[in-house]
Amino acid sequence: GIQVEQSPPDLILQEGANSTLRCNFSDSVNNLQWFHQNPWGQLINLFYIPSGTKQNGRLSATTVATERYSLLYISSSQTTDSGVYFCGGRSQGNLIFGKGTKLSVKP
Amino acid sequence: ETGVTQSPTHLIKTRGQQVTLRCSSQSGHNTVSWYQQALGQGPQFIFQYYREEENGRGNFPPRFSGLQFPNYSSELNVNALELDDSALYLCASSLAGHNEQFFGPGTRLTVL
Repeated sequence: GIQVEQSPPDLILQEGANSTLRCNFSDSVNNLQWFHQNPWGQLINLFYIPSGTKQNGRLSATTVATERYSLLYISSSQTTDSGVYFCGGRSQGNLIFGKGTKLSVKP
Repeated sequence: ETGVTQSPTHLIKTRGQQVTLRCSSQSGHNTVSWYQQALGQGPQFIFQYYREEENGRGNFPPRFSGLQFPNYSSELNVNALELDDSALYLCASSLAGHNEQFFGPGTRLTVL
Protein backbone atom coordinates (compact mmCIF):
# COMPACT_ATOMS: atom_id res chain seq x y z
CA GLY A 1 0.00 0.00 0.00
CA ILE A 2 0.87 3.66 0.01
CA GLN A 3 3.04 4.29 3.03
CA VAL A 4 5.22 6.89 4.65
CA GLU A 5 6.91 5.82 7.86
CA GLN A 6 8.96 8.00 10.18
CA SER A 7 11.41 7.09 12.87
CA PRO A 8 12.00 7.50 15.68
CA PRO A 9 8.56 8.53 16.97
CA ASP A 10 10.14 10.45 19.85
CA LEU A 11 13.58 11.94 20.35
CA ILE A 12 14.98 13.76 23.36
CA LEU A 13 18.24 15.66 22.96
CA GLN A 14 20.46 17.88 24.98
CA GLU A 15 21.01 21.31 23.49
CA GLY A 16 23.99 21.23 21.15
CA ALA A 17 23.57 17.60 20.11
CA ASN A 18 23.07 16.40 16.55
CA SER A 19 20.19 14.24 15.34
CA THR A 20 18.99 12.30 12.33
CA LEU A 21 15.33 11.74 11.51
CA ARG A 22 14.35 9.13 8.96
CA CYS A 23 11.46 8.82 6.51
CA ASN A 24 10.81 5.62 4.53
CA PHE A 25 8.34 5.74 1.68
CA SER A 26 6.71 3.19 -0.59
CA ASP A 27 7.05 2.86 -4.37
CA SER A 28 4.02 5.00 -5.25
CA VAL A 29 5.27 7.96 -3.19
CA ASN A 30 7.74 10.57 -4.42
CA ASN A 31 8.70 14.26 -4.23
CA LEU A 32 9.41 14.32 -0.49
CA GLN A 33 8.89 17.38 1.65
CA TRP A 34 10.03 17.91 5.25
CA PHE A 35 8.04 20.12 7.61
CA HIS A 36 8.32 21.41 11.16
CA GLN A 37 4.98 21.85 12.91
CA ASN A 38 5.10 24.83 15.23
CA PRO A 39 3.27 24.87 18.59
CA TRP A 40 0.28 26.60 16.98
CA GLY A 41 -0.08 23.86 14.37
CA GLN A 42 1.29 25.47 11.23
CA LEU A 43 3.43 23.27 9.00
CA ILE A 44 6.58 25.17 8.14
CA ASN A 45 8.34 24.03 4.95
CA LEU A 46 11.89 22.91 5.62
CA PHE A 47 12.85 21.15 2.41
CA TYR A 48 11.36 20.05 -0.86
CA ILE A 49 13.73 17.24 -1.73
CA PRO A 50 12.74 14.65 -4.35
CA SER A 51 16.34 13.46 -4.49
CA GLY A 52 19.83 14.54 -3.55
CA THR A 53 20.98 16.71 -0.68
CA LYS A 54 20.08 20.22 0.41
CA GLN A 55 21.29 22.34 3.30
CA ASN A 56 19.81 25.33 5.06
CA GLY A 57 21.83 26.53 8.02
CA ARG A 58 21.97 23.87 10.72
CA LEU A 59 19.50 21.69 8.84
CA SER A 60 20.17 19.45 5.90
CA ALA A 61 18.26 16.70 4.13
CA THR A 62 19.10 13.83 1.85
CA THR A 63 16.72 11.74 -0.22
CA VAL A 64 17.82 8.49 -1.88
CA ALA A 65 14.80 7.91 -4.10
CA THR A 66 16.07 4.59 -5.47
CA GLU A 67 16.20 3.21 -1.91
CA ARG A 68 12.94 4.89 -0.83
CA TYR A 69 14.20 6.90 2.12
CA SER A 70 14.96 10.44 3.21
CA LEU A 71 16.95 11.76 6.15
CA LEU A 72 16.71 15.07 7.98
CA TYR A 73 19.82 16.15 9.88
CA ILE A 74 19.74 18.71 12.65
CA SER A 75 23.13 19.85 13.90
CA SER A 76 23.90 21.76 17.10
CA SER A 77 20.26 21.51 18.17
CA GLN A 78 18.60 24.41 19.97
CA THR A 79 15.54 24.48 22.23
CA THR A 80 13.67 26.26 19.44
CA ASP A 81 14.09 23.14 17.28
CA SER A 82 11.61 21.35 19.55
CA GLY A 83 8.35 20.27 17.98
CA VAL A 84 7.04 17.67 15.58
CA TYR A 85 8.77 16.99 12.28
CA PHE A 86 6.76 15.50 9.43
CA CYS A 87 7.77 14.13 6.09
CA GLY A 88 5.22 14.00 3.33
CA GLY A 89 5.42 12.41 -0.09
CA ARG A 90 3.29 12.93 -3.16
CA SER A 91 0.98 10.13 -4.21
CA GLN A 92 -1.69 10.61 -6.88
CA GLY A 93 -1.23 14.34 -6.66
CA ASN A 94 -1.39 14.87 -2.92
CA LEU A 95 0.71 14.55 0.17
CA ILE A 96 0.77 11.40 2.28
CA PHE A 97 2.27 12.08 5.68
CA GLY A 98 4.07 9.98 8.22
CA LYS A 99 3.06 10.08 11.87
CA GLY A 100 5.87 12.47 12.71
CA THR A 101 8.89 12.57 15.00
CA LYS A 102 8.42 14.53 18.21
CA LEU A 103 11.70 16.24 19.07
CA SER A 104 12.37 17.69 22.50
CA VAL A 105 15.59 19.65 22.97
CA LYS A 106 16.50 20.22 26.62
CA PRO A 107 18.59 23.20 27.73
CA GLU B 1 4.38 37.62 -1.51
CA THR B 2 1.39 36.74 0.68
CA GLY B 3 1.36 33.32 2.32
CA VAL B 4 -1.58 30.99 2.82
CA THR B 5 -4.15 32.34 5.25
CA GLN B 6 -7.03 30.57 6.97
CA SER B 7 -10.03 31.68 8.99
CA PRO B 8 -11.22 31.35 11.62
CA THR B 9 -8.34 30.34 13.90
CA HIS B 10 -10.54 28.44 16.32
CA LEU B 11 -14.13 27.29 16.20
CA ILE B 12 -16.43 25.48 18.60
CA LYS B 13 -19.55 23.75 17.28
CA THR B 14 -22.02 21.21 18.58
CA ARG B 15 -22.79 17.82 17.09
CA GLY B 16 -25.12 18.01 14.11
CA GLN B 17 -24.24 21.58 13.18
CA GLN B 18 -22.60 22.71 9.95
CA VAL B 19 -19.31 24.60 9.60
CA THR B 20 -17.48 26.53 6.87
CA LEU B 21 -13.73 27.06 6.93
CA ARG B 22 -11.96 29.46 4.61
CA CYS B 23 -8.57 29.55 2.92
CA SER B 24 -6.77 32.08 0.76
CA SER B 25 -3.98 30.62 -1.32
CA GLN B 26 -0.48 32.01 -1.58
CA SER B 27 -0.28 34.64 -4.28
CA GLY B 28 0.18 33.06 -7.69
CA HIS B 29 -0.98 29.61 -6.56
CA ASN B 30 -4.01 28.14 -8.32
CA THR B 31 -4.42 24.80 -6.53
CA VAL B 32 -5.75 24.34 -3.00
CA SER B 33 -5.72 21.15 -0.93
CA TRP B 34 -7.39 20.51 2.43
CA TYR B 35 -6.12 18.20 5.16
CA GLN B 36 -7.49 17.01 8.49
CA GLN B 37 -5.08 16.43 11.36
CA ALA B 38 -6.35 14.57 14.42
CA LEU B 39 -4.45 14.91 17.67
CA GLY B 40 -1.17 13.00 17.59
CA GLN B 41 -1.50 12.04 13.93
CA GLY B 42 -0.15 13.25 10.62
CA PRO B 43 -2.41 15.29 8.31
CA GLN B 44 -4.80 13.32 6.09
CA PHE B 45 -5.81 14.49 2.63
CA ILE B 46 -9.47 15.50 2.27
CA PHE B 47 -9.66 16.92 -1.27
CA GLN B 48 -8.03 19.25 -3.76
CA TYR B 49 -9.44 22.02 -5.94
CA TYR B 50 -8.08 23.28 -9.26
CA ARG B 51 -9.89 25.59 -11.67
CA GLU B 52 -12.89 25.62 -9.32
CA GLU B 53 -13.37 21.84 -9.66
CA GLU B 54 -12.65 19.03 -7.21
CA ASN B 55 -9.49 17.41 -8.50
CA GLY B 56 -8.96 14.48 -6.18
CA ARG B 57 -10.47 13.27 -2.94
CA GLY B 58 -9.32 11.24 0.01
CA ASN B 59 -11.30 8.81 2.13
CA PHE B 60 -13.82 11.30 3.55
CA PRO B 61 -17.64 11.08 3.38
CA PRO B 62 -19.76 13.36 1.17
CA ARG B 63 -20.69 15.59 4.11
CA PHE B 64 -17.22 17.05 3.59
CA SER B 65 -17.53 19.35 0.58
CA GLY B 66 -15.69 22.30 -0.82
CA LEU B 67 -15.58 25.19 -3.21
CA GLN B 68 -12.92 27.14 -5.02
CA PHE B 69 -13.52 30.67 -6.23
CA PRO B 70 -12.14 32.49 -9.30
CA ASN B 71 -9.50 34.17 -7.11
CA TYR B 72 -8.35 30.65 -6.08
CA SER B 73 -9.54 30.99 -2.48
CA SER B 74 -11.41 28.01 -1.12
CA GLU B 75 -13.96 26.86 1.44
CA LEU B 76 -14.32 23.59 3.28
CA ASN B 77 -17.85 22.77 4.42
CA VAL B 78 -18.70 20.02 6.86
CA ASN B 79 -22.34 19.08 7.46
CA ALA B 80 -23.85 17.09 10.30
CA LEU B 81 -20.78 17.49 12.50
CA GLU B 82 -19.66 14.50 14.54
CA LEU B 83 -17.45 14.44 17.62
CA ASP B 84 -14.67 12.79 15.58
CA ASP B 85 -14.57 15.82 13.28
CA SER B 86 -12.73 17.66 16.05
CA ALA B 87 -9.31 18.29 14.52
CA LEU B 88 -6.92 20.81 13.04
CA TYR B 89 -7.91 21.59 9.45
CA LEU B 90 -5.02 22.63 7.24
CA CYS B 91 -5.16 24.25 3.84
CA ALA B 92 -2.24 24.07 1.42
CA SER B 93 -1.69 25.84 -1.86
CA SER B 94 0.52 25.06 -4.80
CA LEU B 95 1.01 25.97 -8.42
CA ALA B 96 -0.37 23.42 -10.86
CA GLY B 97 2.46 21.35 -12.26
CA HIS B 98 4.68 22.06 -9.26
CA ASN B 99 4.90 19.54 -6.46
CA GLU B 100 5.74 21.66 -3.42
CA GLN B 101 2.80 22.59 -1.19
CA PHE B 102 2.69 25.46 1.29
CA PHE B 103 0.45 25.36 4.34
CA GLY B 104 -1.64 27.87 6.19
CA PRO B 105 -1.80 28.21 9.98
CA GLY B 106 -4.84 25.94 10.27
CA THR B 107 -8.28 26.13 11.86
CA ARG B 108 -8.80 24.21 15.07
CA LEU B 109 -12.34 22.83 15.18
CA THR B 110 -13.86 21.46 18.37
CA VAL B 111 -17.16 19.59 18.18
CA LEU B 112 -19.01 19.20 21.50
